[in-house]
Amino acid sequence: KAGVTQTPRYLIKTRGQQVTLSCSPISGHRSVSWYQQTPGQGLQFLFEYFSETQRNKGNFPGRFSGRQFSNSRSEMNVSTLELGDSALYLCASSPWGPRDTNTGELFFGEGSRLTVL
Amino acid sequence: KQEVTQIPAALSVPEGENLVLNCSFTDSAIYNLQWFRQDPGKGLTSLLLIQSSQREQTSGRLNASLDKSSGRSTLYIAASQPGDSATYLCAVIEGGKLIFGQGTELSVKP
Repeated sequence: KAGVTQTPRYLIKTRGQQVTLSCSPISGHRSVSWYQQTPGQGLQFLFEYFSETQRNKGNFPGRFSGRQFSNSRSEMNVSTLELGDSALYLCASSPWGPRDTNTGELFFGEGSRLTVL
Repeated sequence: KQEVTQIPAALSVPEGENLVLNCSFTDSAIYNLQWFRQDPGKGLTSLLLIQSSQREQTSGRLNASLDKSSGRSTLYIAASQPGDSATYLCAVIEGGKLIFGQGTELSVKP
């Protein structure tokens, strides 16, 4: 079955613009998480969605937001882009259930590489 | 606050060697631990998931162990190959999120 699909794979924006990234999870998975990867900070958790609700949130400013649709696809948005937002944004899906956020394997997509000029 | 550390940061070995990658975490009350592989510019590929009740998992030439009491996990790679060259990341699952180490960059020379 198909893996986690992220679009676009690469994009270049300028400071002050906004960007929307998309993630389609593995069929049947209802939990979608987002992570930011930078050389300096490594991989950091942004947020997790389950059944269209944000269940967990990392320590990022309000410029970072997300949503999940009824088909489990998810989008994340970054507004008022800053140079420091340049990163690889990774989406992960998992078979976590409604009261389960700690068991089960997470599967990642190839990521969206964002460059802010 | 949970912290995950991986040592060494980089490792270069000749082909055919058996090797061990280390991962340590500060809070032993973890649920699961997952090992990933990342090739340059790519996403993460899941290698092994160790449930908190397990002590080890095996997949092909890979074996991962978990010792919660000492806050350590090791990833053993047998008979290394050039194709194993990548960055290896460990992560503990806590509160609905993964907490990652900084990774070990492995280079296997032919």
